[in-house]
Amino acid sequence: GQNIDQPTEMTATEGAIVQINCTYQTSGFNGLFWYQQHAGEAPTFLSYNVLDGLEEKGRFSSFLSRSKGYSYLLLKELQMKDSASYLCAVRATIMTTDSWGKLQFGAGTQVVVTP
Amino acid sequence: EAQVTQNPRYLITVTGKKLTVTCSQNMNHEYMSWYRQDPGLGLRQIYYSMNVEVTDKGDVPEGYKVSRKEKRNFPLILESPSPNQTSLYFCASSDGTSGNEQFFGPGTRLTVL
Repeated sequence: GQNIDQPTEMTATEGAIVQINCTYQTSGFNGLFWYQQHAGEAPTFLSYNVLDGLEEKGRFSSFLSRSKGYSYLLLKELQMKDSASYLCAVRATIMTTDSWGKLQFGAGTQVVVTP
Repeated sequence: EAQVTQNPRYLITVTGKKLTVTCSQNMNHEYMSWYRQDPGLGLRQIYYSMNVEVTDKGDVPEGYKVSRKEKRNFPLILESPSPNQTSLYFCASSDGTSGNEQFFGPGTRLTVL
C-alpha cells in the first residue's frame, strides 16, 4: 500500500516562495505527480518526477528523492491566483499484474496567498 | 478541443436506484480512471482502465462497476447507490505511452438520499 503525507494548509505572502513537502511510503514506485486544484474545479497537472532531482517549469519546481520517499513542490513569486489546493500523487506498479495504473493521492495542501 | 466530458454534472438520487455516470474523452487516450473526492480524504481512485476491455480496481472499488467497451468511453455504474456514495466524482484520462499527465473531467456531484 501507499501512505502519502502533506501539510493541510500553508499561508504565504504575494511575491514570496512556498515549499510544499510530500512524503510517501510505497512498493513498486513508478512516479510522483503534483496537481493544482482551485476550489470547485478539476485538478490540473503541474509536474511529474520519476527520477531523483529537480524538475523546473517556470515559477514551479518539483523535487524527488526516491531513497527518502520525499518530494517537494516549490512555488516562486507567488501570485494571488496560486491560492489553491496542491495534490501530491504517487503511482505504483502492481508487481503481480505488471500494471502501473494505480494512483494514490495525498489529502492536498491548501495554499493561501495573502496580499 | 481536447477534453474529458462527464454527465451528468449534478445528480440527486435515492438509495437503491441504479445510475450511470458517463465519461468520454476525445484524445484517443489508452488510460482512463475514476476518482471520488471527499473533504479531508482527497482524491481516491475507484477503478482504472489501461485499455479497451482492461480494467482494474483502485483503492475504493466497493459498490461501483465500470466497463471499457470502446476507447473513448469509461462509464461508472452504481448498481444500488447508498448515502455513503455521496461525493464529487472525477473521470480522468492520459496517454498510455507516457501515462504522465492526466486530464480531468469537470466532475459530477452526486447526492444519494
